[in-house]
Amino acid sequence: EPEVTQTPSHQVTQMGQEVILRCVPISNHLYFYWYRQILGQKVEFLVSFYNNEISEKSEIFDDQFSVERPDGSNFTLKIRSTKLEDSAMYFCASMQPGTSGTDTQYFGPGTRLTVL
Amino acid sequence: LAKTTQPISMDSYEGQEVNITCSHNNIATNDYITWYQQFPSQGPRFIIQGYKTKVTNEVASLFIPADRKSSTLSLPRVSLSDTAVYYCLVGPNDYKLSFGAGTTVTVRA
Repeated sequence: EPEVTQTPSHQVTQMGQEVILRCVPISNHLYFYWYRQILGQKVEFLVSFYNNEISEKSEIFDDQFSVERPDGSNFTLKIRSTKLEDSAMYFCASMQPGTSGTDTQYFGPGTRLTVL
Repeated sequence: LAKTTQPISMDSYEGQEVNITCSHNNIATNDYITWYQQFPSQGPRFIIQGYKTKVTNEVASLFIPADRKSSTLSLPRVSLSDTAVYYCLVGPNDYKLSFGAGTTVTVRA
């Protein structure tokens, strides 16, 4: 079964450093998402991306965050200057709209970001 | 997005059927009901989705009454590996997913 993959599985960085989290969505999917989950808390939506542009973003997704689909397979999340509170699991998801109207987002295994 | 209410936790034993009911009184006409499962330190995993009546797949069944104001996820004959957090989400399909706290299901031997 096709799956979403994410690299790295764990990223440790110093506060103020830039990080890039990488995702390879399922190949024929058109919608891409980033979510995050702070330890012990809910999964929170960050951003959705379709047709090479952001379709929606949450309040969390401020100017420090950006997303990019640099080629036909990768989807990246960049945090320009990390803060301690950015420490979380970051999940990528992708979706292909179905003809029956039932669509599902498929999640990757996540990248654990630790900011020191 | 429709607000959902589901129990915080449920305990069960291996081999039993687990039913988790989710309330979504303000569900909209174009909203679907989707359930996800999440194990610790893993991404949410899609279980089942429905719009009305009953949907069944190899993992679970989803029961939706005619008014669609609630839904029940049914997990038949659970095993220890079904211990996880289960999320009920309601919304249109091309939209962001809004996760609540979910229901922590603990299956004991």
